[in-house]
Amino acid sequence: EAGVVQSPRYKIIEKKQPVAFWCNPISGHNTLYWYLQNLGQGPELLIRYENEEAVDDSQLPKDRFSAERLKGVDSTLKIQPAELGDSAVYLCASSWRNNEQFFGPGTRLTVL
Amino acid sequence: QKEVEQNSGPLSVPEGAIASLNCTYSDRGSQSFFWYRQYSGKSPELIMSIYSNGDKEDGRFTAQLNKASQYVSLLIRDSQPSDSATYLCAVKEEYGNKLVFGAGTILRVKS
Repeated sequence: EAGVVQSPRYKIIEKKQPVAFWCNPISGHNTLYWYLQNLGQGPELLIRYENEEAVDDSQLPKDRFSAERLKGVDSTLKIQPAELGDSAVYLCASSWRNNEQFFGPGTRLTVL
Repeated sequence: QKEVEQNSGPLSVPEGAIASLNCTYSDRGSQSFFWYRQYSGKSPELIMSIYSNGDKEDGRFTAQLNKASQYVSLLIRDSQPSDSATYLCAVKEEYGNKLVFGAGTILRVKS
């Protein structure tokens, strides 16, 4: 069974530029999560989707971050404009009905 | 936000020894607990989940849960150099179903 797929794996941009990350969850998983992980810290939830509905986006900085999961399958997370402090690893995870979560390989973002 | 606390380590153990990793949490109503392993430069990998008080064994791994003490631990028997990684404890909040992660404990197994 294929795992969670994310792209790109690495992204380097200059500050104030936009950036987008894509995630395709494990087949059949209805719940999709976006996390941010800084070095030496655990992942922190940005947004959780159940099917196409964002059920928890309380930690998403809505002034610059946006996400969508239009058909309840794959998802895109966008940052516009990016700031230096956004440099981190962006992780996508999926689960069946908010049970055990499985992570994708992540996207390492560097903002210069 | 509810808190999950782990000793950052590094915890160093010799090959073949038992590694004991500990985690405490603040949300008394939490019912679901998870251990993830994260190798350097990689994403977290789920290795154990536990929902009831007591022990749960899976191969060389044993998870232990004590809800009264708000304490969960992971034992790794016969530690191998390949077990060297950061181990993340994660606790699901009682309300909201949010998974809260600790900062992780670095484990080093010396051959």
